[in-house]
Amino acid sequence: DAGVTQTPRHEVAEKGQTIILKCEPVSGHNDLFWYRQTKIQGLELLSYFRSKSLMEDGGAFKDRFKAEMLNSSFSTLKIQPTEPKDSAVYLCASSLRSSQNTLYFGAGTRLSVL
Amino acid sequence: AQKVTQTQTSISVMEKTTVTMDCVYETQDSSYFLFWYKQTASGEIVFLIRQDSYKKENATVGHYSLNFQKPKSSIGLIITATQIEDSAVYFCAMREGAQGGRALIFGTGTTVSVSP
Repeated sequence: DAGVTQTPRHEVAEKGQTIILKCEPVSGHNDLFWYRQTKIQGLELLSYFRSKSLMEDGGAFKDRFKAEMLNSSFSTLKIQPTEPKDSAVYLCASSLRSSQNTLYFGAGTRLSVL
Repeated sequence: AQKVTQTQTSISVMEKTTVTMDCVYETQDSSYFLFWYKQTASGEIVFLIRQDSYKKENATVGHYSLNFQKPKSSIGLIITATQIEDSAVYFCAMREGAQGGRALIFGTGTTVSVSP
């Protein structure tokens, strides 16, 4: 079975650009999560979807961050416009429906904003 | 509001010894799940072990075990007979509710370094 696939693995953007990160969850998983990882803040929740419905979003990220589930097997995270402080690793994870189910993480996209 | 706190930033141990990591959590829910994940140097994040809030017995998987102290809202991770490959960042996490609908919230992580 394929795991969570994230593309691209690395992204370099100029300040003010729009970037789109992509994620394909594990086949059959109902829940999809986007997290941002930095050394200082750790893993911060950006968005959580269940079967294409937005269940939670990180309050601090509503302004320039927009995640979407285009279908049950594909999600995007758009950052518009990018700022240097957005430089981080963006992680996508998926799981089966119930809370006891573990999350499976993608390899992440490392974003550098110049 | 839910919150997970790991106060230990880093721990160094010798190979084949035992390491213990602390984690405390805050929740209003009566049903929740506690997880530990490991992030290796390559960045890969993998699930290690889970504790269900309604279970009194401490979970054990291989050389990982948990010290669940519900009255203290504490879930410690114990790694026995450590190996060099156990060097990693360990994250404690919590998910509220039995049916899901709430996201997994993480602590800030504890870096473990195992020396030969």
